[in-house]
Amino acid sequence: TQLLEQSPQFLSIQEGENLTVYCNSSSVFSSLQWYRQEPGEGPVLLVTVVTGGEVKKLKRLTFQFGDARKDSSLHITAAQPGDTGLYLCAGAGGNTPLVFGKGTRLSVIA
Amino acid sequence: NAGVTQTPKFRILKIGQSMTLQCAQDMNHNYMYWYRQDPGMGLKLIYYSVGAGITDKGEVPNGYNVSRSTTEDFPLRLELAAPSQTSVYFCASSQPRGGASTDTQYFGPGTRLTVL
Repeated sequence: TQLLEQSPQFLSIQEGENLTVYCNSSSVFSSLQWYRQEPGEGPVLLVTVVTGGEVKKLKRLTFQFGDARKDSSLHITAAQPGDTGLYLCAGAGGNTPLVFGKGTRLSVIA
Repeated sequence: NAGVTQTPKFRILKIGQSMTLQCAQDMNHNYMYWYRQDPGMGLKLIYYSVGAGITDKGEVPNGYNVSRSTTEDFPLRLELAAPSQTSVYFCASSQPRGGASTDTQYFGPGTRLTVL
């Protein structure tokens, strides 16, 4: 069974700070996705990374896929209260369904 | 487009009761999924379907059943509700390229189920 470990589990920071959350596995994934989930709603896809070493930017969010395609990170610059939510990583291995991590719950305080 | 819709939004069941959670999508997606999300946990796959008439078990299928008679609908059935099934249930759909389930999953708003 492929497992994805996310860290930290919880993160509370002040507005304007930078942060990085991690998604790690001992398995190789063909692609990795990051979702954000707000209270009372379903997850929404932020980005998909496919190539080892790939870096994608989405405004203040920077996503990186590890060279060996076993891990990923999400870096947020100058966090804002609107960034508050549960960040989930999900790995895909060919034709098998996505495997989700437990998530990092981020709270950005104004 | 409505995307993925789920009904009901909330439900309280007594132990042993049965119910069906409804899920519909209007994006003509072939793949559909049911997940449960427990507090402090990620999403666990219950069942999924790659097309009408085809279903397969996920990580936690015990106590649940599904059917996929049309592309649009993917209901989840609980036959004998147990307290361990208290959770938030999410339905999702995707339209993969190349036969692989690696593309964007679109989630519904969820059904919050409590079994007492």
